[in-house]
Amino acid sequence: DSGVTQTPKHLITATGQRVTLRCSPRSGDLSVYWYQQSLDQGLQFLIQYYNGEERAKGNILERFSAQQFPDLHSELNLSSLELGDSALYFCASSVGWTGELFFGEGSRLTVL
Amino acid sequence: GNSVTQMEGPVTLSEEAFLTINCTYTATGYPSLFWYVQYPGEGLQLLLKATKADDKGSNKGFEATYRKETTSFHLEKGSVQVSDSAVYFCALSDSSSNTGKLIFGQGTTLQVKP
Repeated sequence: DSGVTQTPKHLITATGQRVTLRCSPRSGDLSVYWYQQSLDQGLQFLIQYYNGEERAKGNILERFSAQQFPDLHSELNLSSLELGDSALYFCASSVGWTGELFFGEGSRLTVL
Repeated sequence: GNSVTQMEGPVTLSEEAFLTINCTYTATGYPSLFWYVQYPGEGLQLLLKATKADDKGSNKGFEATYRKETTSFHLEKGSVQVSDSAVYFCALSDSSSNTGKLIFGQGTTLQVKP
């Protein structure tokens, strides 16, 4: 158990819909990272938050947004969903900048 | 930009065989290098890391050496077990960026048969 909790584990929705994925980091970790894992793109970095502020941005679509709340949990919002958004979305947390990330088990999104 | 290239899988080995998974990187500055492992149905876990040239990371019988001259960080294990079957990801972190974010390779699936 990494200590990172993601909900929901599975989500099935339709094109055009909006979903929210939630992540609770390990106790004491200030950084939260979001990654998308798909068969054709591999693991893609989306965005990072540190203590409530956006820290780094990767290949995140404009239809996607994220935030980190004062209690340090984070949410990834995906809107106007397309078939190609079907993927496993991972959240990870860390205490500093060492690159040692602790990953949750992921949220599997299926868009029909 | 920074990138990581891994050998394509799947890699299929018999138990007790020797394992090598190749990883090369492109980076500016002095990245830290990592191997992460993903068991079926689970998130990624850190397997080992190296933070500077010539460092050797090791864990659970796996090892990898940070080779700056060849920009490589190949993963090796002398004798694999069925329980090592998983997807292995090579990754780098640019320590000068002060973010800790990781750039991952495509992943290599390892299947070990009894």
